Formats: sequence, structure tokens, C-alpha cells
Amino acid sequence: EVQLVESGGGLVQPGGSLRLSCAASGFTFSSYWMHWVRQAPGKGLVWVSRINSDGSSTSYADSVKGRFTISRDNAKNTLYLQMNSLRAEDTAVYYCAREGGIAADFDYWGQGTLVTVSS
Amino acid sequence: SYVLTQPPSVSVAPGKTARITCGGNNIGSKSVHWYQQKPGQAPVLVIYYDSDRPSGIPERFSGSNSGNTATLTISRVEAGDEADYYCQVWDSSSDLGVFGGGTKLTVL
Repeated sequence: EVQLVESGGGLVQPGGSLRLSCAASGFTFSSYWMHWVRQAPGKGLVWVSRINSDGSSTSYADSVKGRFTISRDNAKNTLYLQMNSLRAEDTAVYYCAREGGIAADFDYWGQGTLVTVSS
Repeated sequence: SYVLTQPPSVSVAPGKTARITCGGNNIGSKSVHWYQQKPGQAPVLVIYYDSDRPSGIPERFSGSNSGNTATLTISRVEAGDEADYYCQVWDSSSDLGVFGGGTKLTVL
């Protein structure tokens, strides 16, 4: 059974940093591209970042470029999102999602982890 | 950047057909995916590559995509279909993911 379990969320002050993790199991993690998607309270889904299967290629939404870094450790079956210079508008539930195919559908999602940026 | 436009809400009586649209410039040239999200839960893929259904998704869910509009169709709507629905594409020109704003489906 495919499982994605996020962790690392919490309360952080504006300007602070946080690292999210997504532990994967039930599939060959190193064969799949992975994504982060976020959802502010009461709002819609917003794509954040993508990493290819070996970690050599990444892309970011304009709103987080230069502040967030996506990475992965295929030996540990874990996806990461390093978030720096956090702003109030980064407050959201962050989901990791597996890319199912070449057209970037997200076929499996984690349960999400809440990040709150507030003083 | 590429923009996807969805109606904020759609209402339908039980047993009827719900149609949720997703508008985008020449969206027919892209692969569109649809997600269902119920309150407090993670999204679930219900349609991928315009019209394919993942295993476990009822045949009542179908999709189409042409011109500037993609459509998610839910036949014989049930109370359990009440949820938010999001369309999504990958914009290969910018190498970015894009979601529509979401549509709240209300079953009357």
C-alpha cells in the first residue's frame, strides 16, 4: 500500500525556517517524481514545488522561489521541503504528492502537515 | 502564467448529473486532471489524462477536454459526492503546476 506521511509542521515566527519531511513507503520511491502542494486555511490548492526521481532537477512556484528548497534522500525514501524566510502568507497545510505519470497527475497524497507563520 | 478558471459552486439534486467546468487558454492541448477533496481530508485523484479513472473511482465520474474548456461530469449524483473539486494541469512552457480555484459541489 502506498503511503506518504508528512511531518515537521508547526508554529514559526515570520522570517524563520522550517523543514518538512515526507516519508514514503509501499512503492519504489526512487522511480517517482514528487511534489509539494499547499492549501491555506479555507482556500484552494496551490502547487509549490517538484523534484525529479534522482533529485537533479527541481522547479518552484514564483511565490516560493529563492526561499524554499525541495530535496530528496532516495536511500531513506524521504522527500523534504526546506522553507526559509517564512511569511504569514506561507501559512497552510502542506501536502506531499506522488506524480503518477508524464502529465504530472498526483496519484497519491499524504495527509498534510500544518505550517503556521505568526508572531 | 497559465490560469485555470472554475465556477465557485455547483448545485445538483440527488440522482441528477453535475458538470463542473475548467477553463483555460487552449486547455484542449493539455492533459487535465481532477481531484475531489472532502472537508479535513487530502485530495483524491478522480480523473487523470482528461478522461481516465483511477481504480476504485466509480464509473459515474467522467471527464472531457476540448478547445478552451475541460469538464468533469458526475452522473447519478449521491450525497457522498458533496466535496470541493479541483482541476489541474502541468504547464510545460513554464515547468509549473497549475490548479483551478476549485468548485464546491452541493447536493441539494
